[in-house]
Amino acid sequence: DTGVSQNPRHKITKRGQNVTFRCDPISEHNRLYWYRQTLGQGPEFLTYFQNEAQLEKSRLLSDRFSAERPKGSFSTLEIQRTEQGDSAMYLCASSLAGRGATEAFFGQGTRLTVV
Amino acid sequence: AQSVTQPDIHITVSEGASLELRCNYSYGATPYLFWYVQSPGQGLQLLLKYFSGDTLVQGIKGFEAEFKRSQSSFNLRKPSVHWSDAAEYFCAVVHGGYQKVTFGTGTKLQVIP
Repeated sequence: DTGVSQNPRHKITKRGQNVTFRCDPISEHNRLYWYRQTLGQGPEFLTYFQNEAQLEKSRLLSDRFSAERPKGSFSTLEIQRTEQGDSAMYLCASSLAGRGATEAFFGQGTRLTVV
Repeated sequence: AQSVTQPDIHITVSEGASLELRCNYSYGATPYLFWYVQSPGQGLQLLLKYFSGDTLVQGIKGFEAEFKRSQSSFNLRKPSVHWSDAAEYFCAVVHGGYQKVTFGTGTKLQVIP
C-alpha cells in the first residue's frame, strides 16, 4: 500500500494521560502535515514539516502538543495531559515539493476520545 | 480575511435527483481548488481538483465542478445522486508556497429513497 498510513485508527484515553500518534507518509513525499477535525467541522491545519524541519505551527498547537519528524520520514504527534477538548480526528497528509506538485494526500486519521 | 465558505450545512436530496453543493472562496489570487468527500469515521477522499485551464473539471464517482472566477465559486454537481453518495463534502483550497489546505466547514448530504 503506497498511501498515507496512520496508527492507531482509534484511541480512547483518560483525561490527563499522554497519547502519541504515528503517521507514515507516501515514501517519496518530503512534506508532511497534521490536521485536527472536531465534530461537525472541517479539518484545521496544525503543523507542517518539510523533511525533518517543522516550518509552520498553528496557534491551535498548544504547548501540550508536540510533533516530530526525526528522519524526515514518519512523524509522531504527541498530546500531553489530554483534555476532553482534545477529542477529535487527527489527520495526517503528505505531498511532494517541487514544480507541478500541488496536491496533498490524506491518511484515514486517528480518532481520539478523551474520557 | 482569506476563507472558504460552504453556505449549506445540510442538504437532503432524493435518490436520482440532481445535486449542487456550493462553495465560495475569498483569496487575492485564484488558489488551487478541491472537493473532498468523507464518510462517517473515515478519512478524506479527493473527488476532483482545479489548478488551471478548463473551468469545468470532472472527478470520480460522476462528480463535476465548475470554477467561476467572477463569482469566486467552485460548485460541485452531480446529475443523478445515488444512495451511496450520502456523506460529508468539503470544499478546500491550497494557496501559498506549499500544499497547506484550508477547508470549508462542510456540507452533509443525506439521500432519501
